Amino acid sequence: QVRLQESGPGLVRPWETLSLTCTVSGDSISGFYWSWIRQPPGKGLEWIGYIYYIGSTNYNPSLKSRITISVDTSKNQFSLKLSSVTAADTAVYYCARHKVGVAGSTVFDFWGQGILVTVSS
Amino acid sequence: DIVMTQSPLSLPVTPGEPAFISCRSSQSLLHSNGYKYLDWYLQKPGQSPQLLIYLGSSRASGVPDRFTGGGSGTDFTLKISRVEAEDVGVYYCMQSLQTPHTFGQGTKLEIK
Repeated sequence: QVRLQESGPGLVRPWETLSLTCTVSGDSISGFYWSWIRQPPGKGLEWIGYIYYIGSTNYNPSLKSRITISVDTSKNQFSLKLSSVTAADTAVYYCARHKVGVAGSTVFDFWGQGILVTVSS
Repeated sequence: DIVMTQSPLSLPVTPGEPAFISCRSSQSLLHSNGYKYLDWYLQKPGQSPQLLIYLGSSRASGVPDRFTGGGSGTDFTLKISRVEAEDVGVYYCMQSLQTPHTFGQGTKLEIK
């Protein structure tokens, strides 16, 4: 069974950089796409971006100028950096496996439990 | 970006009764290959979202057959034939036709 676990600080100061890591266990990170998705408290889901295991990325244009997603296949991990954060970036951040299937369908088939990151001074 | 609009936002249902959730996209999700790139997720209370339906009508592994997805290029429906207590949570539709992938606002299903 594939398991994903987010880790990182739960509190980030305004205008600093949010850094999170997702550790994948139960399967190799190779061969798959990996996404970050966030959910502000009491609100809906927002796709942040994905990385393919070889390092190619695709970011949400609304966040593109502030995002960096990277992968470390040796550690079976991928990471998110979001710079210049404000209170609007307060959210539960999920990492998820992005499975490409029939007809190029792309679904999030495994998710981490999520980590709440609060932006506050 | 493709805008996804769900209705209703709140859905109280009596156990054993059917439930219908609507999702409308601002652009057609029907690809030239004939597939509709619309997925449904359920976020149960306190949990991460879980995949229910992909490509408009294909049930994910382990999803009960009381869940059915359907629809056209821009109008989609998730039907639960007989709601059970374990079905409570927030249902999201998501378009996977293009990036950025976008979700509907969510429909909260609760038991009457």
